[in-house]
Amino acid sequence: EPEVTQTPSHQVTQMGQEVILRCVPISNHLYFYWYRQILGQKVEFLVSFYNNEISEKSEIFDDQFSVERPDGSNFTLKIRSTKLEDSAMYFCASRSRTGGENEKLFFGSGTQLSVL
Amino acid sequence: AQSVTQPDIHITVSEGASLELRCNYSYGATPYLFWYVQSPGQGLQLLLKYFSGDTLVQGIKGFEAEFKRSQSSFNLRKPSVHWSDAAEYFCAVGGATNKLIFGTGTLLAVQP
Repeated sequence: EPEVTQTPSHQVTQMGQEVILRCVPISNHLYFYWYRQILGQKVEFLVSFYNNEISEKSEIFDDQFSVERPDGSNFTLKIRSTKLEDSAMYFCASRSRTGGENEKLFFGSGTQLSVL
Repeated sequence: AQSVTQPDIHITVSEGASLELRCNYSYGATPYLFWYVQSPGQGLQLLLKYFSGDTLVQGIKGFEAEFKRSQSSFNLRKPSVHWSDAAEYFCAVGGATNKLIFGTGTLLAVQP
C-alpha cells in the first residue's frame, strides 16, 4: 500500500525557535492535511491544503503556523516561534480527490515535536 | 457542536476473547464514521468506515462496526482478539471533505 512519509520522526527544539516538519504525500494525491495530537489528548485538525492554497484551518492554526508545497513532492508545516504547548505528535495526511465512499485519507507515522 | 466520545481510555482483554470499543458522536449532518488503529511508532491506519447503506460495516483484520443512528454510536467489535491487536484505537467523524474529528482514543492491551 502507498505511504505518506514524514521526517523527522522526532524533533527537539528550544522555545522560540522555528521548526519545519516535512511530509511527502502519496504522489498522485491532491489534498493535504496536518493534524496534531498533544499527549493524552485528541487528534486535532490543523489545516487542509488544495491547489496550492489553504482550504480550511482550525483555530489552532494561528499566524505562527504556515504550510507550503515548495515542490511537486513535499508538503511542509512551519512553526515560526515554537511554544511549549506546541509539543505534540504532528500527523500529515493526504488523499486523491474530493471525498466520497471510495476515497481514503492516508496518514503518515507522525513527527514527535518536543519544545524545551 | 461536533464531537466524538470514546468513554474507555484503556481496555484489557484476554487473547481469544471478544472485544467491543465504544464510540459516540455528535455531528450536525449525516456523518461519515471511521475507526483508525495506531500501533507504536506507526501512523494511523484505517480499519473501516461508514458512509451510507448497510449499518454493519466490515473492515480489515476481522473488525466490524455497527452504526446506530438512534444511539449516535459506532462501536467497534471483534469476535476473537489476537495479541497483535494491542494498539490504540481512534474513532472519528467527518463530512465529505474528510476533515476529521477524532475521539481521545482507547488503548487496548491483550493478555496472553
